[in-house]
Amino acid sequence: GDSVTQMEGPVTLSEEAFLTINCTYTATGYPSLFWYVQYPGEGLQLLLKATKADDKGSNKGFEATYRKETTSFHLEKGSVQVSDSAVYFCALSAGTYKYIFGTGTRLKVLA
Amino acid sequence: DSGVTQTPKHLITATGQRVTLRCSPRSGDLSVYWYQQSLDQGLQFLIQYYNGEERAKGNILERFSAQQFPDLHSELNLSSLELGDSALYFCASARTASTDTQYFGPGTRLTVL
Repeated sequence: GDSVTQMEGPVTLSEEAFLTINCTYTATGYPSLFWYVQYPGEGLQLLLKATKADDKGSNKGFEATYRKETTSFHLEKGSVQVSDSAVYFCALSAGTYKYIFGTGTRLKVLA
Repeated sequence: DSGVTQTPKHLITATGQRVTLRCSPRSGDLSVYWYQQSLDQGLQFLIQYYNGEERAKGNILERFSAQQFPDLHSELNLSSLELGDSALYFCASARTASTDTQYFGPGTRLTVL
């Protein structure tokens, strides 16, 4: 069945460091791919998405490129801030349009 | 603010009890999804409704049920509660049954004692 694999956390970085959170997927067909962010005590917020191969989603300095050949959708940010501390979820949507989520990666950014 | 509202924010109850969680989708959205977030299972899809009809089912227990009303709000009913049902329950909405972007509510934290 469809699945999403995310790198284990937590990830701890200093402010202004480069961020990569790896995400790979398995799916039949052509899924849409998403990154959601969950701040402490809050619900999930859509961060970015891509709907077809080679699409790049971007928002608030975060980017991810839909790579069909490597079945990946890695999240990157050039310079993280303390306010980026949160849990990041990679997800795919295919067929029935329910989401399949990864396990989440906790990011902690230190000042 | 996603525009999706959920009530209550917190719920504490005892084993064996029954509770109802409520969700109001974004204005204009016809599709509602329910998810459970727990430490051991992560985020799991439970059930989807579209315009009042059940559309898709995931890992939803028989003790759980849901419905979507004519005004499009949805309720998730959890009965014969067990300790393991303690979790965050999220509702998400989307414009149609096939729109792929879902918008999540803030969640209801259920604690079963």
